[in-house]
Amino acid sequence: DTGVSQDPRHKITKRGQNVTFRCDPISEHNRLYWYRQTLGQGPEFLTYFQNEAQLEKSRLLSDRFSAERPKGSFSTLEIQRTEQGDSAMYLCASSPRSVPSHYGYTFGSGTRLTVV
Amino acid sequence: AQKITQTQPGMFVQEKEAVTLDCTYDTSDQSYGLFWYKQPSSGEMIFLIYQGSYDEQNATEGRYSLNFQKARKSANLVISASQLGDSAMYFCAMRDWSGNEKLTFGTGTRLTIIP
Repeated sequence: DTGVSQDPRHKITKRGQNVTFRCDPISEHNRLYWYRQTLGQGPEFLTYFQNEAQLEKSRLLSDRFSAERPKGSFSTLEIQRTEQGDSAMYLCASSPRSVPSHYGYTFGSGTRLTVV
Repeated sequence: AQKITQTQPGMFVQEKEAVTLDCTYDTSDQSYGLFWYKQPSSGEMIFLIYQGSYDEQNATEGRYSLNFQKARKSANLVISASQLGDSAMYFCAMRDWSGNEKLTFGTGTRLTIIP
């Protein structure tokens, strides 16, 4: 297993366009998380899945954002009508079944979004 | 609400010296966990060390140790014998164990090791 994979690594888009990011977690991990990290800040929690169920959402996740994990494996994060303020690094993490497993948060390398 | 404060935006340390990165936290929960992550320029967050609020001993992982002072609500990271590869951003984070899955991060400290 090669860890948490995110695709693409970089995305440049024009304001108003829609973008979609993908995250492939570690295969035996049933929990998946999305975070957003803006320049000079620490990551901020966006949402969390346990298997295919989206169990927690931050108020940061406006109605332009939607996340799915249809089969409990990979997840997608879509941003509609992108704005310049959406420019950030989007990080995905996964953790295994055992609760609570403080060693279980494995992060991917992130997708860096630039909205021009 | 939980809050993490890291007051050192940047630090420069000579190679082979020890370095302490500061972290203070605020929470009303009794059961919580504190984490330190390293973020190199590649972007991924690498887990370094964990301290539970009920752990009586300070956590250690190789060259990393956590100086946990519960009454002062501080969880400083100590890196011994620093190496050039330690140059990166370091983030302190916490979560409570009340069912909330969210990690709350500080703003980070950029550590630069000087040869």
